[in-house]
Amino acid sequence: AQTVTQSQPEMSVQEAETVTLSCTYDTSESDYYLFWYKQPPSRQMILVIRQEAYKQQNATENRFSVNFQKAAKSFSLKISDSQLGDAAMYFCAYRSVYGGATNKLIFGTGTLLAVQP
Amino acid sequence: DVKVTQSSRYLVKRTGEKVFLECVQDMDHENMFWYRQDPGLGLRLIYFSYDVKMKEKGDIPEGYSVSREKKERFSLILESASTNQTSMYLCASSRSGFGNQPQHFGDGTRLSIL
Repeated sequence: AQTVTQSQPEMSVQEAETVTLSCTYDTSESDYYLFWYKQPPSRQMILVIRQEAYKQQNATENRFSVNFQKAAKSFSLKISDSQLGDAAMYFCAYRSVYGGATNKLIFGTGTLLAVQP
Repeated sequence: DVKVTQSSRYLVKRTGEKVFLECVQDMDHENMFWYRQDPGLGLRLIYFSYDVKMKEKGDIPEGYSVSREKKERFSLILESASTNQTSMYLCASSRSGFGNQPQHFGDGTRLSIL
């Protein structure tokens, strides 16, 4: 069975600085998808960025980018030029392509990011 | 934009009550999910549904049941609520398929069982 591990329960960053959130996963599969979700305080969880395992190029969405290391089974999220609105709980998630069309996700335990003004 | 609506943001119920949590999505998604979110445990899948009247157990189905009579609506039922079911409950929906379709989440229901 696949597992997702986020080893940093809490992180803090100064406004305008860069922070990296770690995520590792365990799988025997060669093809899969990885996601980062953001859950602001008392607000809806939203997708930040996604990565297909067959793509070597790291995904980027504006100030958010990933460092995908397939051999190491690592999928870290880098937030550049941090803003106060980036303060949230961040979840890493894994999806197997072999699980059928039901799109089940396996989530990590989350990293709570604080942004200091 | 996809909208997933959960009927209540906050709910307080008593031990032994039958509790219904409702979720509605407006994007004709085939898949719908119920998660439980607890500090330090992340999101754990309770049940999911891949079509009307079709459901499968997730990782922690004990004490819960679900109903999907219409495509847009997915209900989570606590048959006899207990204090260990006090938690945040999140509903999500997604399109079916083998690609990287994301799940879209509701605002969550914070349920307290007294």
